[in-house]
Amino acid sequence: GDSVTQMEGPVTLSEEAFLTINCTYTATGYPSLFWYVQYPGEGLQLLLKATKADDKGSNKGFEATYRKETTSFHLEKGSVQVSDSAVYFCALSSGSARQLTFGSGTQLTVLP
Amino acid sequence: EAGVAQSPRYKIIEKRQSVAFWCNPISGHATLYWYQQILGQGPKLLIQFQNNGVVDDSQLPKDRFSAERLKGVDSTLKIQPAKLEDSAVYLCASSLTDRGGQPQHFGDGTRLSIL
Repeated sequence: GDSVTQMEGPVTLSEEAFLTINCTYTATGYPSLFWYVQYPGEGLQLLLKATKADDKGSNKGFEATYRKETTSFHLEKGSVQVSDSAVYFCALSSGSARQLTFGSGTQLTVLP
Repeated sequence: EAGVAQSPRYKIIEKRQSVAFWCNPISGHATLYWYQQILGQGPKLLIQFQNNGVVDDSQLPKDRFSAERLKGVDSTLKIQPAKLEDSAVYLCASSLTDRGGQPQHFGDGTRLSIL
């Protein structure tokens, strides 16, 4: 079945550091890929998405590129802020019902 | 636009009791999902509705969990009787359709604690 593997956390960075959170997937067909962010006590919010190979999703300074050859969708940001502290989930959508399959999440803490 | 509304935000019950959660999706969204998120894990799909019909409930523990979406709008998820392992956050999400690439919009969830 479909699966998503994220780098294990927690990740702690200083403000303005470079961020990479690795995500790889296994899926049949051609999935759509997503990054969701969850702030404490809140539901998940869509951060960015890509629907086909080589697409780059971007939002709020975050970027991720759909790499079919390496089955990866790594999240990057050039300069993190304290307000980026949250849990980040990589997810894919595939199959006839287009359901989301989530990774286990990566906790990011950014220190001032 | 108003987001996905869920209630209650928190619920504490004893094992073997029953509990119900309510979800109001974004207006016009045909597809509604219920997820279970255990602490430290990603959300796991319990059931998916398209309008008022069930698309997938293969991961719903049907001996104790039930869900309905009458009139294709609001939905309720019920657990009866609750077990300790049901302690989790229950998230409701909706999307315009179930077509590929359509983002799902999540509510803030109901945090359930079983004593």
